[in-house]
Amino acid sequence: DAKTTQPNSMESNEEEPVHLPCNHSTISGTDYIHWYRQLPSQGPEYVIHGLTSNVNNRMASLAIAEDRKSSTLILHRATLRDAAVYYCILRERDDKIIFGKGTRLHILP
Amino acid sequence: EAGVTQFPSHSVIEKGQTVTLRCDPISGHDNLYWYRRVMGKEIKFLLHFVKESKQDESGMPNNRFLAERTGGTYSTLKVQPAELEDSGVYFCASSPFPSGTVYEQYFGPGTRLTVT
Repeated sequence: DAKTTQPNSMESNEEEPVHLPCNHSTISGTDYIHWYRQLPSQGPEYVIHGLTSNVNNRMASLAIAEDRKSSTLILHRATLRDAAVYYCILRERDDKIIFGKGTRLHILP
Repeated sequence: EAGVTQFPSHSVIEKGQTVTLRCDPISGHDNLYWYRRVMGKEIKFLLHFVKESKQDESGMPNNRFLAERTGGTYSTLKVQPAELEDSGVYFCASSPFPSGTVYEQYFGPGTRLTVT
């Protein structure tokens, strides 16, 4: 099912950058790389997505390896509100989302 | 703009009873999805509506689950009769474009279903 591999958990200090890695060695040419996160007691929330080039938005940056077999979600300055489970997901166009286990990010004050 | 809303936020029912969950997508969103997370497991896809038509119901666990989206607006998910293993959090999501484009899904807060 889930075609991505992420660390189970990570810790970061508040106000420091966070780099969340994701491996997707079997990615196909038509797969987009999406990141969602789920804050405690909330539904999942879209963060960012990309195909080949690095992407930036107000929430985060997405760095995609040249061979597309891995990517990194970058939170430039983590706050306590960024503590969540982050999911790296491959999607082919407007397809259903297949969630894996994600990475639980802990932010230390 | 109002987000995706779900009702109720929490439901506690006995095994064998019927429960109906409701999802109101963002106005104008043609795509509507249902997902659920049962205890200790990952979030799993249940089904996908495009307007009032079922596009993909491959994730529906069995025929005790019935989803409808009459008129292409809100959707209901009925569980009849409920079993203990149906306990979990049911999420609804919507997205604005017809199938074939890449777009984010907007999720509701979920309905926590507890079957005792």
